[in-house]
Amino acid sequence: KQEVTQIPAALSVPEGENLVLNCSFTDSAIYNLQWFRQDPGKGLTSLLLIQSSQREQTSGRLNASLDKSSGRSTLYIAASQPGDSATYLCAVRPRLRYGGSQGNLIFGKGTKLSVKP
Amino acid sequence: NAGVTQTPKFQVLKTGQSMTLQCAQDMNHEYMSWYRQDPGMGLRLIHYSVGAGITDQGEVPNGYNVSRSTTEDFPLRLLSAAPSQTSVYFCASSYDFEDTEAFFGQGTRLTVV
Repeated sequence: KQEVTQIPAALSVPEGENLVLNCSFTDSAIYNLQWFRQDPGKGLTSLLLIQSSQREQTSGRLNASLDKSSGRSTLYIAASQPGDSATYLCAVRPRLRYGGSQGNLIFGKGTKLSVKP
Repeated sequence: NAGVTQTPKFQVLKTGQSMTLQCAQDMNHEYMSWYRQDPGMGLRLIHYSVGAGITDQGEVPNGYNVSRSTTEDFPLRLLSAAPSQTSVYFCASSYDFEDTEAFFGQGTRLTVV
């Protein structure tokens, strides 16, 4: 059964610091991995989508990498700002062994990031 | 550019009441799904649909019902609300169910007393 783990559960950094959030998954049979941001009481905002054949994706100050064989992804945030404070979730879309997909996303429990001015 | 729209945003129900959570998307996505988010449990799939007229169960389907009569709408029905259904509910959609990006609504916070 696919399981997604995010470490650390919480992270507090001073403004301006570069930081890395980690995501690991137990089964390499995935279609893609997606990083989301969730602000308190709000929905999930998609940040980056990495297909299983890709190694990384970039958007502005964000860079996500994927190492499917080792079951790991990282989200790198450059020059962090107080506005980056949120919970960051990673999710994989599993590929079923016999082919096809249930289409669901398997989520980690998230890393709560606090960037202090 | 509405994306995925959920209504209502907040709801309080009494045990045993029924209600429907609405979800609509305007991106012509075939795949839609419902998740619930609970502290310490993360997000879990309730039901999903790969197209109009086709639905299936996810990880935690008991107590919920869905239908998909149009591509745009995917309502979630609580048949007889229980306190265990107190949660935040999210609707999501994507162009297909394999390798495209998933988009989420803003959520419905449901309390069952």
